[in-house]
Amino acid sequence: KNEVEQSPQNLTAQEGEFITINCSYSVGISALHWLQQHPGGGIVSLFMLSSGKKKHGRLIATINIQEKHSSLHITASHPRDSAVYICAVSGGGADGLTFGKGTHLIIQP
Amino acid sequence: DAGVIQSPRHEVTEMGQEVTLRCKPISGHNSLFWYRQTMMRGLELLIYFNNNVPIDDSGMPEDRFSAKMPNASFSTLKIQPSEPRDSAVYFCASSSGGTNYNEQFFGPGTRLTVL
Repeated sequence: KNEVEQSPQNLTAQEGEFITINCSYSVGISALHWLQQHPGGGIVSLFMLSSGKKKHGRLIATINIQEKHSSLHITASHPRDSAVYICAVSGGGADGLTFGKGTHLIIQP
Repeated sequence: DAGVIQSPRHEVTEMGQEVTLRCKPISGHNSLFWYRQTMMRGLELLIYFNNNVPIDDSGMPEDRFSAKMPNASFSTLKIQPSEPRDSAVYFCASSSGGTNYNEQFFGPGTRLTVL
């Protein structure tokens, strides 16, 4: 069973700061997912990647398959980025996800 | 598309009662997942279906839990009898499957409280 570790667990930053959230996993995967969960509880998929780097707006996700590590970056952070960010991994085919515990991010104005 | 639809959104019941949670996946998606989220354990996979067939139910906590997918557009998760420790948010998700690149789309969740 894959073990997914995220750091930090909690992060408070000022508006405009560059944010990095890290994720490591123990067993080879087919894809890594970054999810966002807002206080209302809904879960939104931000990225799914199996190699390299993806960018969407101010969000950037990278993965290093050899090191079993991924990072999620937020540039020019904004209070509306405040949410829980969850790393999850999947095996081959239509596997269910194994989740990290999440990083609770607060961006203060 | 309306996205993944779950009902009810909130359910409060008493210990020992039967609870049925419902999910309608995105049309055309052939994989469906049930997850549970608690403060203590975070998000966990309970069971997933591919083309209406249960593939992995190893996450189902015990025999009190059962899930069905009678057709491609409907799935249920049933708890009988319910216990206070079943209180959690239950999410349903669907994906198009078929490859290793399976972005999952989550429903809004059902918040279950067992008194």
